[in-house]
Amino acid sequence: DGGITQSPKYLFRKEGQNVTLSCEQNLNHDAMYWYRQDPGQGLRLIYYSQIVNDFQKGDIAEGYSVSREKKESFPLTVTSAQKNPTAFYLCASSIQGNTEAFFGQGTRLTVV
Amino acid sequence: AQSVSQHNHHVILSEAASLELGCNYSYGGTVNLFWYVQYPGQHLQLLLKYFSGDPLVKGIKGFEAEFIKSKFSFNLRKPSVQWSDTAEYFCAVISYGNNRLAFGKGNQVVVIP
Repeated sequence: DGGITQSPKYLFRKEGQNVTLSCEQNLNHDAMYWYRQDPGQGLRLIYYSQIVNDFQKGDIAEGYSVSREKKESFPLTVTSAQKNPTAFYLCASSIQGNTEAFFGQGTRLTVV
Repeated sequence: AQSVSQHNHHVILSEAASLELGCNYSYGGTVNLFWYVQYPGQHLQLLLKYFSGDPLVKGIKGFEAEFIKSKFSFNLRKPSVQWSDTAEYFCAVISYGNNRLAFGKGNQVVVIP
C-alpha cells in the first residue's frame, strides 16, 4: 500500500525527555511537512522540507528539530525545550512544494 | 507572513440545510487553495483544490468552492448537507513564493439528523 506512515499512534513520555516521532512515505514525494494540531488552533506548521538534506522552520519551530537524510523519511524530535509538547502531530507529503498534501494518521504525544 | 482565516468555528445545522464556510487568506501573490476534511477518528482528506482556471471548483461528496481573487476568498459550499458531513473542515493555502502550506483554524460542523 502506498501512503504515509506515522508511528507510533500514541506516545507517552516523561517531562524533560526528548522524543522522536517517525514519518515514512513511499509515495516518492519530494516535499514533507510536520504540523501540530491543537483543539481550536487548526494545524500549525512546525517544519517543512522541499528536498532531501534541506528543511525550513515553520511558524512554531521552537523546541523541535528535524532531519531529512532520506527522501522517504522525515523524523521529528520534540525536545525538552518545547514548553507544551502534549499534542496531536501530523506528518504530510506532496509531490512538489505547491501541490496538495497527503496526511498520515497522526501521533498523539502525551508528556507527563 | 501568509495567514488563513476561517470564521464561525462551530456550525450546527440540520440535514438538508445548506452549508457555506468562509475562508480568507492574506497572501497577495500566486496561490494554490485547498479544502480538507477530517471526519471523526480519521485522517485529513482532500475535499477539493484550486490551482487555476474556472474559479468554481467541484470536489467530492457534493462540495464546491469558489475562488474570488479580488476578495482573497475561497468559500466552501454544499447545497444540502447530510449527517455524514459532520466533520472538521480546514482551508489551506500554499504560495508559490515560499511553498509553505498554511491552514486555517478549522470549522467544526455538526449536522443533526
